[in-house]
Amino acid sequence: NAGVTQTPKFQVLKTGQSMTLQCAQDMNHNSMYWYRQDPGMGLRLIYYSASEGTTDKGEVPNGYNVSRLNKREFSLRLESAAPSQTSVYFCASNGRSGNTIYFGEGSWLTVV
Amino acid sequence: AQSVTQLDSQVPVFEEAPVELRCNYSSSVSVYLFWYVQYPNQGLQLLLKYLSGSTLVKGINGFEAEFNKSQTSFHLRKPSVHISDTAEYFCAVNPRGGGGNKLTFGTGTQLKVEL
Repeated sequence: NAGVTQTPKFQVLKTGQSMTLQCAQDMNHNSMYWYRQDPGMGLRLIYYSASEGTTDKGEVPNGYNVSRLNKREFSLRLESAAPSQTSVYFCASNGRSGNTIYFGEGSWLTVV
Repeated sequence: AQSVTQLDSQVPVFEEAPVELRCNYSSSVSVYLFWYVQYPNQGLQLLLKYLSGSTLVKGINGFEAEFNKSQTSFHLRKPSVHISDTAEYFCAVNPRGGGGNKLTFGTGTQLKVEL
């Protein structure tokens, strides 16, 4: 069972470079999420998609864009990476409110 | 809007001792409550959740949590911890009904089990 798969697992970027984090889920879930995790701050929601074709900002959306390509895939793009975006990024998905939210294994991103 | 407070950033405990990790929340609407565990360099795994019914919820690995509506708390407990329980634990809430089905997390509690 793959669950939520995100790539790449590790990435080093130079300031100003762009990149896209990919996420796919195979559980037929409607909702998908991108979180970032920083020491002492827990997980903070960047963007989410309640259903295919819709996206909304979360708590910390600045510097990011997202695309819900289809029901399975939800990508996160950094157009011009900054050192403040050094973090661990988690993709997640779930079927409906109250159901378990499933997480990917994380993407470690360093911006130098 | 919702918020979650985990007052203890770190909790050291000896193996086989009991432990309680505290979680308080604030919300203008009813919420579902969750505890997740994160082992080093891994994603988050659900420990347990409260949706409705009995306020005492049992989860995996011998953990349990009690929902206290009047105190808006959802503390996590284990009567006897093991070295393998060393991990970071996150409390989270999800608004019932609408609200975009989003999880709001606390800042986490690092549980360190020592011999």
